[in-house]
Amino acid sequence: DVKVTQSSRYLVKRTGEKVFLECVQDMDHENMFWYRQDPGLGLRLIYFSYDVKMKEKGDIPEGYSVSREKKERFSLILESASTNQTSMYLCASSFAGIYEQYFGPGTRLTVT
Amino acid sequence: SQQGEEDPQALSIQEGENATMNCSYKTSINNLQWYRQNSGRGLVHLILIRSNEREKHSGRLRVTLDTSKKSSSLLITASRAADTASYFCATALSGNTGKLIFGQGTTLQVKP
Repeated sequence: DVKVTQSSRYLVKRTGEKVFLECVQDMDHENMFWYRQDPGLGLRLIYFSYDVKMKEKGDIPEGYSVSREKKERFSLILESASTNQTSMYLCASSFAGIYEQYFGPGTRLTVT
Repeated sequence: SQQGEEDPQALSIQEGENATMNCSYKTSINNLQWYRQNSGRGLVHLILIRSNEREKHSGRLRVTLDTSKKSSSLLITASRAADTASYFCATALSGNTGKLIFGQGTTLQVKP
């Protein structure tokens, strides 16, 4: 079975802190994704990576950056956390091309 | 505006009844996918239907796709309390590299 793990289920950070969310997949997938999910807004794509060191902006990249140094690991970085970044963050991975995505359990981040 | 819009936003039925959810989209697609999300968890892929397919089955799930109307439906037959979850459609656009655009979801409650 495909396994996508995220570093934390719940996280509480203060405004202005630098926050790292990590995602690891064990299926040798080329594609990895970071989404945020907010009530009434559905899932919105933050960043997408289709290969090591390659990244592409999604719909809402402002305030976020990403890093993919190894194929299995994709990190989301909030350079200076703000309260409007309080959300559920979901990581996903898939094979190259247009295939189903496999999701991690999510990280519920609260910024106070 | 949303690529995928789902209808209804919420649905409540009794165990044993069938549940139907609809998804409409705006632009040409390569495939359309349905996902389930249990409360506070990550999404789980249910079924993928390609643009040249009209109907697909998986267990108690039946998905139809009408590309002329740019719409899809998900039917869950003989529902169970364990089917209580949010259901999302996601569209993979033609020529896309793997990104999906998610609808806002339908929340299904199945009462025992």
